[in-house]
This record gives sequence, structure tokens and C-alpha cells, in this order.
Amino acid sequence: GAVVSQHPSWVICKSGTSVKIECRSLDFQATTMFWYRQFPKQSLMLMATSNEGSKATYEQGVEKDKFLINHASLTLSTLTVTSAHPEDSSFYICSARWSRTYEQYFGPGTRLTVT
Amino acid sequence: GQNIDQPTEMTATEGAIVQINCTYQTSGFNGLFWYQQHAGEAPTFLSYNVLDGLEEKGRFSSFLSRSKGYSYLLLKELQMKDSASYLCAVRDLNSGGYQKVTFGTGTKLQVIP
Repeated sequence: GAVVSQHPSWVICKSGTSVKIECRSLDFQATTMFWYRQFPKQSLMLMATSNEGSKATYEQGVEKDKFLINHASLTLSTLTVTSAHPEDSSFYICSARWSRTYEQYFGPGTRLTVT
Repeated sequence: GQNIDQPTEMTATEGAIVQINCTYQTSGFNGLFWYQQHAGEAPTFLSYNVLDGLEEKGRFSSFLSRSKGYSYLLLKELQMKDSASYLCAVRDLNSGGYQKVTFGTGTKLQVIP
């Protein structure tokens, strides 16, 4: 099956710093990538959808200037959390899909802790 | 918008059968997914239904009734490793033709000996 990787798997950073999370599709070209956030004991909340070569579409309530998404190639999307705050501590999961398919393949997730 | 409801928790016995229900309300339905998520891990795909009826895949089956806005996931011959959260997710098309998948809050299933 299709494989999606994320890096790093976990990161600890200080308030005010920025953190970049990478999402890669390893064996397929991802025309669309999704970024989710999951707080403890809650479900996945879609943050944004990105299509290769175009600007990401953010969900209501997600600050696009704080969560910068870049989908520069068909195999890589990045999420940068800028000016991180302890409230941004969460489990960030990306998923990828190629055109004409319905299934999303999820990465293993990145656990972010902001101190 | 969407409204997806599923039970918060369920407990079942090893070897038994359990049915996890999901109801949803959406205006542009375009498919329903079931995912399994173990604690601290990303979700893994279980099934996809877009037409009414039952889809069987090994020990897992998923049913959809679009007219009722209802789906269930059926797990047979439960094993201890089936203890996990099961997420119902609905895909719909918004007014701009943009596809979006929204997840329910998940049902935490505990399998006991």
C-alpha cells in the first residue's frame, strides 16, 4: 500500500519559536495533502487542504499566518507552526491522496510539545 | 456543515461480535469511511462505502444507508488487538465542489477476555 512519512515524529520547542513538520508520500505522487490536528481524546480536526503547486485551503478558525503550509512538490508538503504557543501542543497528522482515488493515506503523526 | 454521531465507548468480549453505529447529516454526501486508530498512532483505513449496502472485508464489514444517514462497522471474532478507537468519517462536496472529509469523535472499543 501507499506509504506516507512524517518528520519529526516528535518535537519539543520553546514558546515563540517556529517548528517545521514534513510530510512525504514515499511511493506515490500526492496531488492532495491534508493536515489534521488531534488533541487528547478528541477526533481529528482538519486544518487545511493543500494541492500541489497552489495555495492551501484553510478550515474556518485556523490561522493561515500561524500555520504555514507549503506543497511544493507531488511528494512533499510542510507545515510550519510559527510563534509556537503551549496551546499549539498537539498531535499533527498529515494524509495524502492522489487524484481519482478516494482513500487518504495517513502519516504516523508528529507530536508537538511547546514549553 | 456536518454532524457525525457515534458512541463514545463500547466494551465487548474476545471472540464476540460488535457493531459500532454512526449517524450523519450532510448536504453533499460523497462517501463514508471507517478508520481504526490505536492510541498515539495515526488512523488506518478500514472501509469505504458510497453506495447503500454491506461491504465485507475479512472480519470487518461496513454498512451504509444513505437515505437514513446511517452506517455501522461490524467486527467479528473480536481479538484483543482490536481494542482501539474507530472513527467514522464522511466525505462531502461543498458548494464550491470542494471535497472535504470530516471525522466523528470516534468510538473507543475495549475488548476484554
